[in-house]
Amino acid sequence: EVQLVESGGGLAQAGGSMTLACVSSGYTFENYAMHWVRRAPGKGLEWISGIDWNSRRRGYADSVSGRFVISRDNAKKTLFLQLSSLTSDDTALYYCVKDINSDYDYGLDVWGQGTSVTVSS
Amino acid sequence: QSVLTQPPSASGTPGQRVSISCSGSISHLRTSTVSWFQHLPGAAPRTLLVDNDKRPSGVPDRFSASRSGTSASLAISGLQSEDEGDYYCAAWDDSVDVWVFGGGTRLTVL
Repeated sequence: EVQLVESGGGLAQAGGSMTLACVSSGYTFENYAMHWVRRAPGKGLEWISGIDWNSRRRGYADSVSGRFVISRDNAKKTLFLQLSSLTSDDTALYYCVKDINSDYDYGLDVWGQGTSVTVSS
Repeated sequence: QSVLTQPPSASGTPGQRVSISCSGSISHLRTSTVSWFQHLPGAAPRTLLVDNDKRPSGVPDRFSASRSGTSASLAISGLQSEDEGDYYCAAWDDSVDVWVFGGGTRLTVL
């Protein structure tokens, strides 16, 4: 069974930083692209970043470009998201999502349970 | 700015068939595949259909999708009370290399 378990969320100050992690199991992590998607309170799902299987290609939504960095460690089957220059607009549940293919423009497949990020001003 | 438009709400009674539409600008819905997601209260989002019409394992065939030109639709047949929640479409926008989500549709089972 494919499982994705996020961690690293919590309370941060505006302007601060944090790093989220997502540990994968039940499939060959290194063969698939990965994504981060968030849902802010009272809002809908928002794709924020994707990374292909070997980290050569990464993409970001305009809302986080230049502030967030996606990365992966295939040996540890772990996906990361470094968040910086946080604002209250970044308060959300952050989900790690597996793609159906090796690049991140194919389709979002399996979702983790999410980790909560709250930014206080 | 690429946009996928969904109706904010939909409703139906148990056993009924309901459809949720998703329409978008030409740049991505004409050529891109569309995915559909379900987000129930207190749960993680779940992929219902990916690559237009492929159901991941475990998704019942009550959920189906279709598309025509720059529009797509999710159909839910045999509506059940546990289907109540939010539904989203999404498509890859290759003009700016991002995934675009629709605003979501809240489904109420009456």
